[in-house]
Amino acid sequence: TAGITQAPTSQILAAGRSMTLRCTQDMRHNAMYWYRQDLGLGLRLIHYSNTAGTTGKGEVPDGYSVSRANTDDFPLTLASAVPSQTSVYFCASSDGGDIQYFGAGTRLSVL
Amino acid sequence: QKEVEQNSGPLSVPEGAIASLNCTYSDRGSQSFFWYRQYSGKSPELIMFIYSNGDKEDGRFTAQLNKASQYVSLLIRDSQPSDSATYLCAVLPGNQFYFGTGTSLTVIP
Repeated sequence: TAGITQAPTSQILAAGRSMTLRCTQDMRHNAMYWYRQDLGLGLRLIHYSNTAGTTGKGEVPDGYSVSRANTDDFPLTLASAVPSQTSVYFCASSDGGDIQYFGAGTRLSVL
Repeated sequence: QKEVEQNSGPLSVPEGAIASLNCTYSDRGSQSFFWYRQYSGKSPELIMFIYSNGDKEDGRFTAQLNKASQYVSLLIRDSQPSDSATYLCAVLPGNQFYFGTGTSLTVIP
């Protein structure tokens, strides 16, 4: 079972460019999440989706957008990247209970 | 004030000792509490969750919850070098998870 797949694994992006981080899960979980992890700040929630067709803002949503067209996919888009968005991004899912399962992460550098 | 506070460490213990990791939270309405382990360069993995006051044991791990004092702790008995990692405390006060910044644990052989 693949679980949660994130792509790309890492990326270097020029400031001002757009990028979509992909997240796909095969566990049929209803809820999905995007976090960023920065040294000294821990994991912070960017956006979440409780079910297909719905999304919500987390703690640090500015500069990011998400969509949830179906159960399996939850892409995160940076419309115009800035250096402060350099981070490690984790996608997670849960089955409606409290337990989250994390993808392997995407390491993004914005220069 | 952050929702979840952890001592960042680093915490060093000798192999075979008990490692004690602590976490405090601010939202008294929180009902669910989690401990994740994260190896360097890897994603967090769940190791324990606890909902009720008291202790919950799973193998070498024990989670302790005190809602009145708003703290949750993780004890690792018979610590092994493979336990060396960062441990993240997470709290679910509503429909959004809040994570602490993590405590780095090193188990010295």
